[in-house]
Amino acid sequence: EPEVTQTPSHQVTQMGQEVILRCVPISNHLYFYWYRQILGQKVEFLVSFYNNEISEKSEIFDDQFSVERPDGSNFTLKIRSTKLEDSAMYFCASSVLAGGPQETQYFGPGTRLLVL
Amino acid sequence: KQEVTQIPAALSVPEGENLVLNCSFTDSAIYNLQWFRQDPGKGLTSLLLIQSSQREQTSGRLNASLDKSSGRSTLYIAASQPGDSATYLCAVISGGGADGLTFGKGTHLIIQP
Repeated sequence: EPEVTQTPSHQVTQMGQEVILRCVPISNHLYFYWYRQILGQKVEFLVSFYNNEISEKSEIFDDQFSVERPDGSNFTLKIRSTKLEDSAMYFCASSVLAGGPQETQYFGPGTRLLVL
Repeated sequence: KQEVTQIPAALSVPEGENLVLNCSFTDSAIYNLQWFRQDPGKGLTSLLLIQSSQREQTSGRLNASLDKSSGRSTLYIAASQPGDSATYLCAVISGGGADGLTFGKGTHLIIQP
């Protein structure tokens, strides 16, 4: 069964460094998402991406964040200058379409980011 | 702003019991509602999706119901097993063209052997 994959599974970085989290969505899906989950808190929506542009973003997704689909398979989340509060589990998800009542979002296993 | 609440926050029951997890949301204008399972340190596994026009969905021992007008959903687990131990998350897609899911904090379920 097709799966969303994410790399790396864990990443440790120093405050102020740039990190890139990578995702390979399910191959026939057209909408891609990033979510984060700070330890002990709710899963929060960051951004959705369709047709090579951002479709929707939350208040969390500020100028420090960016997303890109550099080729036909990868989808990346870049954090330009990490802060301690960026420490979280980051989930990538994909769906065939978006916004419709029948669209299931399929999640990857996550990247645990620790900012020191 | 949509808010999703799940009750109880934690539940521990003996194996074999039937149980109900509750989810409520503040804005009834939703496109769909999804139930997920999250194992410790792992990703989210989609269990069931209920469209806004539907009242319930079933998959094996799981049954999810939706009462959109009252802003409530329940997940019913029949004949619980130790392997059902996990955190169960409820999430909605709000209307008005939203893409992102709004999640509840989850119910941490332990099934005692």
